[in-house]
Amino acid sequence: DIQMTQSPSTLSASVGDRVTITCRASQTISRWLAWYQQKPGKAPKLLIYKESTLATGVPSRFSGSGSGTEFTLTISSLQPDDFATYYCQLYDNYSWTFGQGTKVEFK
Amino acid sequence: EVQLLESGGILIQPGGSLRLSCAVSGLAFSSYAMTWVRQAPGKGLEWVSVISGSGGGTFYADSVKGRFTISRDNSKNILYLQMNSLRAEDTAIYYCARGVGAIPPPHFDYWGQGTQVTVSS
Repeated sequence: DIQMTQSPSTLSASVGDRVTITCRASQTISRWLAWYQQKPGKAPKLLIYKESTLATGVPSRFSGSGSGTEFTLTISSLQPDDFATYYCQLYDNYSWTFGQGTKVEFK
Repeated sequence: EVQLLESGGILIQPGGSLRLSCAVSGLAFSSYAMTWVRQAPGKGLEWVSVISGSGGGTFYADSVKGRFTISRDNSKNILYLQMNSLRAEDTAIYYCARGVGAIPPPHFDYWGQGTQVTVSS
């Protein structure tokens, strides 16, 4: 099975900061890489799918990129509503794998 | 409006059995694969199982294979998860979600609010 390593586990940032979260795969993967946002006590929300496609209604300050084994989620200018935990998720060969999560907290 | 509503979560003893339900409205239920994803207390998300729109294809995480069974009733728009031989490590919030993007579905767009399962003596 492909292993996903997400980093950092915690990220301290301020409103207006540019934030980057990384997911690394143990081997080259397809483009079926998605990103989710989760707030405490709430269900996950799909942000980006197929590596870089924004889900419906997601603000353009969110973007996804990468290829091969390394993928990134970038928030261009962090807003108060963006303090949350973010997960990458890979689909490959009838197996779905989530990264360990990155908590974005106030600096 | 799309709604997914999970139910059935309880406190149950190790070794017990439990069936979770997810009632879906606002979408063409039989046209979409569905999934169960769980989250242990204070931990990250863990994929559990996926079922195709027809119910003919099912997939499981190794951690639940042989103990859990996913199924669906397309006439009632309900997704199920039958959980047997429950262990303490199955304690989690269980979410249902719609799978989209391809067959099998690579990602999940609509999610329920979850139901809590606690396995403890």
